[in-house]
Amino acid sequence: GIQVEQSPPDLILQEGANSTLRCNFSDSVNNLQWFHQNPWGQLINLFYIPSGTKQNGRLSATTVATERYSLLYISSSQTTDSGVYFCAVGGGATNKLIFGTGTLLAVQP
Amino acid sequence: DTAVSQTPKYLVTQMGNDKSIKCEQNLGHDTMYWYKQDSKKFLKIMFSYNNKELIINETVPNRFSPKSPDKAHLNLHINSLELGDSAVYFCASSLGTSRGEKLFFGSGTQLSVL
Repeated sequence: GIQVEQSPPDLILQEGANSTLRCNFSDSVNNLQWFHQNPWGQLINLFYIPSGTKQNGRLSATTVATERYSLLYISSSQTTDSGVYFCAVGGGATNKLIFGTGTLLAVQP
Repeated sequence: DTAVSQTPKYLVTQMGNDKSIKCEQNLGHDTMYWYKQDSKKFLKIMFSYNNKELIINETVPNRFSPKSPDKAHLNLHINSLELGDSAVYFCASSLGTSRGEKLFFGSGTQLSVL
C-alpha cells in the first residue's frame, strides 16, 4: 500500500515565525489533503490539494504530484496554530485516505 | 449546527462489555467513515459506507460491527471490549467516493477500556 512520511516529526516555533511541513508519498495519488488536529482533538480540513498550489490566509500548500511530495507553509505563526498537522493521500474508487504520522507543532508566545 | 456529530464524546467501560458509538451528518453527504486514532496519534481507517453500502472494511476484528440505517447515520458497535480497543474513534463524511472528495470529521469519541 501507499506509504506516507511527514517531516519534521516535531517543530517548535516562536510566534511570528514561518515554517514548512513536508509530506512524501510512495505512489501516484488522486487525492491529497492536509488536516490540523488542534489541542482539543478536533480534526480540521485545511486543504484538498492533489496538485498545484492553494492559499488560505496565512496557510498555503503546494503539491508536486510527479515528484510525490506536498508542502504546507505556515507564515507568521500564532499560538492557535499549535497542534498536529496530518497529510492524507489516496483516493481511488472508494476515496480511501492513508494518513501520515503527523507533525507536532508548538508555537510559543 | 454541527456538521458531523458523534455521541458520546467520552466512553469509559469495563473489559468484556458491549458499547456503541453513534454518528450523524447533516451535510447531505453520501459517504461516511470510521477512523481509529491510537495513543501515538496514528489515524487508520476502519470502515466506510457509501449510501448505506459497505465499501471499505479494513483488517478489523469482527467484534467491531458498523451499521448504517440511512446515509446520514453510521454507528459503530463493539462487542466484548478489550484493553487494546482504547483509542479515539472518529467518524467522518464526504460528498461521495469519486476522486477528490474532502473529508469532514466529527469531534471524536474517546474510549477507555478498564
